[in-house]
Amino acid sequence: KQEVTQIPAALSVPEGENLVLNCSFTDSAIYNLQWFRQDPGKGLTSLLLIQSSQREQTSGRLNASLDKSSGRSTLYIAASQPGDSATYLCAVLGRDDKIIFGKGTRLHILP
Amino acid sequence: DGGITQSPKYLFRKEGQNVTLSCEQNLNHDAMYWYRQDPGQGLRLIYYSQIVNDFQKGDIAEGYSVSREKKESFPLTVTSAQKNPTAFYLCASSTTVGSDIQYFGAGTRLSVL
Repeated sequence: KQEVTQIPAALSVPEGENLVLNCSFTDSAIYNLQWFRQDPGKGLTSLLLIQSSQREQTSGRLNASLDKSSGRSTLYIAASQPGDSATYLCAVLGRDDKIIFGKGTRLHILP
Repeated sequence: DGGITQSPKYLFRKEGQNVTLSCEQNLNHDAMYWYRQDPGQGLRLIYYSQIVNDFQKGDIAEGYSVSREKKESFPLTVTSAQKNPTAFYLCASSTTVGSDIQYFGAGTRLSVL
């Protein structure tokens, strides 16, 4: 059974720093991996989608990598800003067409 | 604007009562999903639908029911059999079940009176 783990559960960094969020999954047979952002009390916003055949995707200050063989993905945020404060979730789509989510990392950017 | 609309934003349920959460999308997506989110936990899939008049149970379907009579709509009923309904409920859609991006609604927070 696929399990998705995100470490750390919470992270606080000063504004302007670069940071990395981690996501690991136990079953490497996935179609894709997606990173989402969730603001308190709100729905999810998709940030980046990496297909299983891809190694990374970039959007603005965000870069997500995927190493399927080791079951890992990282979300890199460059030059962090207070507006980046949110919970970041990763989710993998398995061969059974089910998406499994991690519990998320709560990110707080200190002004 | 294209998107997914969930209503209401907040909902209260009395003991023994069934309540229905609305989810509407105008993205022309075939697939729709309902997730439940509890504090400190990841999202868990309740039900999903690949196409009109079809739906499948997710990981935690007990105490819930859905219908998919129209492509645009995928309402979720939280029945009295669901003993712990307090949670944040998220609806999502995608072009198909499988390799596409899922788009999420803003969520409905359900509480028990």
